[in-house]
Formats: sequence, C-alpha cells, structure tokens
Amino acid sequence: ELKVEQNPLFLSMQEGKNYTIYCNYSTTSDRLYWYRQDPGKSLESLFVLLSNGAVKQEGRLMASLDTKARLSTLHITAAVHDLSATYFCAVDGRGQGNLIFGKGTKLSVKP
Amino acid sequence: ETGVTQSPTHLIKTRGQQVTLRCSSQSGHNTVSWYQQALGQGPQFIFQYYREEENGRGNFPPRFSGLQFPNYSSELNVNALELDDSALYLCASSLDRTGELFFGEGSRLTVL
Repeated sequence: ELKVEQNPLFLSMQEGKNYTIYCNYSTTSDRLYWYRQDPGKSLESLFVLLSNGAVKQEGRLMASLDTKARLSTLHITAAVHDLSATYFCAVDGRGQGNLIFGKGTKLSVKP
Repeated sequence: ETGVTQSPTHLIKTRGQQVTLRCSSQSGHNTVSWYQQALGQGPQFIFQYYREEENGRGNFPPRFSGLQFPNYSSELNVNALELDDSALYLCASSLDRTGELFFGEGSRLTVL
C-alpha cells in the first residue's frame, strides 16, 4: 500500500526565515504534486514534478524530487505572512491519476 | 475558460439521509475524480470517472456511488449518511486519466 508521509505536520516560522518541508513516499512513483490549501478553501496546484532530479521554483517556493530516495522537498525562502497555509504533497503511485495525499503541513508565518 | 464548479457549496443532512453532489468539469476535460477531505486530514480518493465509466475506486463502501454524464459532468451520491461522512468533498477534472488534476472549491457536507 502506497503511503505518503510529510514532516513536519506543523511549522511556525518567523518572517524572513528559511525552512524545508519533507515528503517521503513508500513505493516508486514518477509523478509528485504539491498543493496549497487556505482554510475552508480548495486545493491550489503549486508544482508538478515528473522526473528524478526535477526542480521547480515559483517565487519563494522551490520543490525538488529524488525518486531514488522517494523524497520530495518544498523549500521556503525568506518566508512572508502570505505563505501561511496548509501544504500537501501527493503521489500518483500507480500512474492512474489516483493521488495519495500526505496529511499536510500547516505553516504559520509570524511577523 | 471556466474551471471546475461544484454544487452545492454547503449542505446539512441528518443520519440515514441521502445526498447528491454535483461537479462540472473544466472545458476539454474528460476525467473527473472525487476526493473526501475530513477536517485536518489530507484528501482521500473516492473514485474516478473516465468517459462515463468508473475507472478506479478507493477504499469507500458501496453506498458511495457516482455517475458521469456525456458532457463529462459528474455526480457523487452517498446513501445512508453517517456522522463520519461529514467532510469537504472535492471534485477534480483532468484532460485524461493520468493528467494533472484541477480541483473545484468543494462541497462541505455536515451530517447531524
């Protein structure tokens, strides 16, 4: 059974600091997604990582994928309050479009 | 181009009742997937419909059923509602069975 584990589950950061969220998964997959969710809202797609070594950046967020280690990271640079949200990684383990999500990392950025 | 739309946005039901949730897929998308997100949890896959046929199902009982129509819109039906069915139900559409998912705003169901 494919399992996706994120850590930390809760993260309180000060503005201007850097931090990394980790996403480990238990079986091989060539497709990994990162989503953002604001309270009471739907999922906003951040990154789609399709191959080993893939790195994508958007603003203060950068995501990478290491398929051999079954690990993806979401790095936050110089955090700002607007980044406060819950971040999910999801894996398409069977390549059939059925995503398995982690439990999410609730990020709070404080002044 | 309109995105994925879901209705209703909020609803309240009592145990034992039945509910139907609706989803209109994004233009050009032929695949719809449904997810259940309980409070404080990640979304869980319920099932996927591709060209009007069920194409994969998660670990949900048969009282969760669905339909996809010729225009690729979809319904999720839940019979004999239980308190644990209270959740945000998310619909996502994609260009095909393995394409990137685009999520709607969700339907928040409360079962009393």
